[in-house]
Amino acid sequence: GAGVSQSPRYKVAKRGQDVALRCDPISGHVSLFWYQQALGQGPEFLTYFQNEAQLDKSGLPSDRFFAERPEGSVSTLKIQRTQQEDSAVYLCASSLAPFELFFGEGSRLTVL
Amino acid sequence: DAKTTQPPSMDCAEGRAANLPCNHSTISGNEYVYWYRQIHSQGPQYIIHGLKNNETNEMASLIITEDRKSSTLILPHATLRDTAVYYCIAKKPINFGNEKLTFGTGTRLTIIP
Repeated sequence: GAGVSQSPRYKVAKRGQDVALRCDPISGHVSLFWYQQALGQGPEFLTYFQNEAQLDKSGLPSDRFFAERPEGSVSTLKIQRTQQEDSAVYLCASSLAPFELFFGEGSRLTVL
Repeated sequence: DAKTTQPPSMDCAEGRAANLPCNHSTISGNEYVYWYRQIHSQGPQYIIHGLKNNETNEMASLIITEDRKSSTLILPHATLRDTAVYYCIAKKPINFGNEKLTFGTGTRLTIIP
């Protein structure tokens, strides 16, 4: 595809369920980012991969959040035992060259 | 990264130039100014970036003051599709491993028909 693809676009989970969000970056993009965006706020950094290496996970809010990119392409963000405060849009971005990140449309998670 | 300050909201008439200000008074000499925008229900989109010289591309122009403490993003002929939240970010030079962007709350620009 031409852009960053995220799935599912919408996810409703009951509190306590585990969820997995997928990101397909632009082919060949080395860098991949996950951001969390709460309603009315700007995106907040969660974690960063360079190829398969997770170089920065300083933004992950708790140990319930886990991200992986095992082959340096597709990435999955997993949230265990979801809580209501996890409700947000989760954005994935990839980049090849400096300055410009390409974002997907996001996955909107609602925890009931 | 230097702190940036933007007005929370602005209106602009369709067809007119939209001028979005950003204050970055503590910016250091090697920090760039980046602009992204986020249209409703979409991910952020890169617009433009600059260091000290004014920059122009097909989307917008970026005017940076001589002392680099503030900048203005100009959309020359605003259309309804330009309604979005615009984010101004000041950041040291990006290289691999240093690409994390810190978004604030931005300016919500509304284009009025």
